[in-house]
Amino acid sequence: NAGVTQTPKFQVLKTGQSMTLQCAQDMNHEYMSWYRQDPGMGLRLIHYSVGAGITDQGEVPNGYNVSRSTTEDFPLRLLSAAPSQTSVYFCASSRINLYEQYFGPGTRLTVT
Amino acid sequence: SQKIEQNSEALNIQEGKTATLTCNYTNYSPAYLQWYRQDPGRGPVFLLLIRENEKEKRKERLKVTFDTTLKQSLFHITASQPADSATYLCALHATPGRRALTFGSGTRLQVQP
Repeated sequence: NAGVTQTPKFQVLKTGQSMTLQCAQDMNHEYMSWYRQDPGMGLRLIHYSVGAGITDQGEVPNGYNVSRSTTEDFPLRLLSAAPSQTSVYFCASSRINLYEQYFGPGTRLTVT
Repeated sequence: SQKIEQNSEALNIQEGKTATLTCNYTNYSPAYLQWYRQDPGRGPVFLLLIRENEKEKRKERLKVTFDTTLKQSLFHITASQPADSATYLCALHATPGRRALTFGSGTRLQVQP
């Protein structure tokens, strides 16, 4: 199993540009989520999904969209990038009846 | 307000000693608390989960305690090794019945050979 994969590993955007961060898992996990990690602030939940077609907002959802059309994929869209979205983004997944989460390697995003 | 606090200062210990990391929380009543390890440039890796009715959980050289009265969890690594050097994150389910995790900012552990 590849586990949780994320692409790209690094990305630089200009203010106002849009892009999609990709996340995929091959463990047939029902639950998937997106976090951002900023220095000194810990991981903060952006959006999550408990299954295909079902998504919900986390702690810091503004400026981000998600969709879940398949069990495997959970892309995160930045609609109009802002410097405040400069961060490291992690995707995670877990079985619906288990609580430990499996994280991807992260995407480091810089918005200039 | 709700807070999860971990010591932001790095913990430096000698190889072979026991490392003890602290996680304190306020205005939460979590049923579960988890610990993760994060190496630089990588995603967190799950280590242990402890339930509110468990006082202690062990896995090899790792031990976690959970005191719901003190609102505190302690994470111990016995016989520490340089390979244990990493940042350790505690996390809890802030809303009962919801899977979403709330994380502390982590404590960096440095084990000197």
